[in-house]
Amino acid sequence: GENVEQHPSTLSVQEGDSAVIKCTYSDSASNYFPWYKQELGKRPQLIIDIRSNVGEKKDQRIAVTLNKTAKHFSLHITETQPEDSAVYFCAASINGGSQGNLIFGKGTKLSVKP
Amino acid sequence: GAGVSQTPSNKVTEKGKYVELRCDPISGHTALYWYRQSLGQGPEFLIYFQGTGAADDSGLPNDRFFAVRPEGSVSTLKIQRTERGDSAVYLCASSFYREDRQFFGPGTRLTVL
Repeated sequence: GENVEQHPSTLSVQEGDSAVIKCTYSDSASNYFPWYKQELGKRPQLIIDIRSNVGEKKDQRIAVTLNKTAKHFSLHITETQPEDSAVYFCAASINGGSQGNLIFGKGTKLSVKP
Repeated sequence: GAGVSQTPSNKVTEKGKYVELRCDPISGHTALYWYRQSLGQGPEFLIYFQGTGAADDSGLPNDRFFAVRPEGSVSTLKIQRTERGDSAVYLCASSFYREDRQFFGPGTRLTVL
């Protein structure tokens, strides 16, 4: 089955710097890759997603890139702010088959220091 | 509009007891998922419903776990003979259809003493 690896497990940056979180997946059939932000004690919130027919997607300060050949995708946050501090999870799934469930990475705890 | 809701928010029970966890998906969403999140981990898939039927229950850890969605909306996750290892946050997510974005509820924190 699918396996998603996420790095780093913790990331500390200064306010205004950029943050990059990387994920790799094992199943070449995976074609949908969302990113979720989870604050302590809160629900995971979808912040951006990308499908396999696209290589890059951007939404204000957040961007995601996908390399299908290498089976990895990354989250980029620019001009980080203290409110970006949270745990970020990447996930992968195979849409179009019999499954729709997401396989998550173990998360990256991002700390943005003012 | 209203998001996914889950009740109770917290549940404390004793080993061996039976518990039911409820999920109210976003209105009109046909797909519903249950996940389990242990401390410091990402959510792990348990079961997926398309309408009233369980389309994929491959993530249920054993036969003590069961879920229903009788009318294609609200879903209940049922755990029999709870064990301490069942302690986790149980998350529900819904999407308009199977290939659409999934939106999560706030979760139920289950503690088995």
